[in-house]
Amino acid sequence: EAQVTQNPRYLITVTGKKLTVTCSQNMNHEYMSWYRQDPGLGLRQIYYSMNVEVTDKGDVPEGYKVSRKEKRNFPLILESPSPNQTSLYFCASSFGDTTYEQYFGPGTRLTVT
Amino acid sequence: GENVEQHPSTLSVQEGDSAVIKCTYSDSASNYFPWYKQELGKRPQLIIDIRSNVGEKKDQRIAVTLNKTAKHFSLHITETQPEDSAVYFCAAPGGSNYQLIWGAGTKLIIKP
Repeated sequence: EAQVTQNPRYLITVTGKKLTVTCSQNMNHEYMSWYRQDPGLGLRQIYYSMNVEVTDKGDVPEGYKVSRKEKRNFPLILESPSPNQTSLYFCASSFGDTTYEQYFGPGTRLTVT
Repeated sequence: GENVEQHPSTLSVQEGDSAVIKCTYSDSASNYFPWYKQELGKRPQLIIDIRSNVGEKKDQRIAVTLNKTAKHFSLHITETQPEDSAVYFCAAPGGSNYQLIWGAGTKLIIKP
């Protein structure tokens, strides 16, 4: 089954404790992206990747890191999480190196206390 | 950079009536406009999109219209049904094909 998976789905952590949210797709998509979703603000792009080893900042990259060592995986790293990073995070991928027809993962709800 | 505004934030319609959601964008070079639907607790899913060389696109009960001169595009849902209840998001390219700038979303409520 073609899909985008994220882990964990739910995470409660404390300020400053490094964490990684994994994202994997099995559709051989070149483009992958991370978004955060907050009430009243829609989806805001954190980072995106056009292909392996090619990443760039989105609108809200501060406090986040990403890597794209393999085509299928695009982990999101929070080196020192803070409470303002409490949010719902979505990973997405699409065929080709564009944002056309993005397929989203199930989401990761992160709470930082 | 691109700015996308979406209205209304909440829309309540009687089942069977039509619903229209409107988005405006700022970058006249934008050429791709998708609409995503997000049901409660679920992930966003693409329902329809339109390219700038087309003025209207239909898919069964949903349609999207684009007015490049006025820089706005709209989602039209006809004969609304309970399963249309969701949050709908519009988006537009953020200066390249690699970024999307999203509207804040419209919560569509279908009243029985």
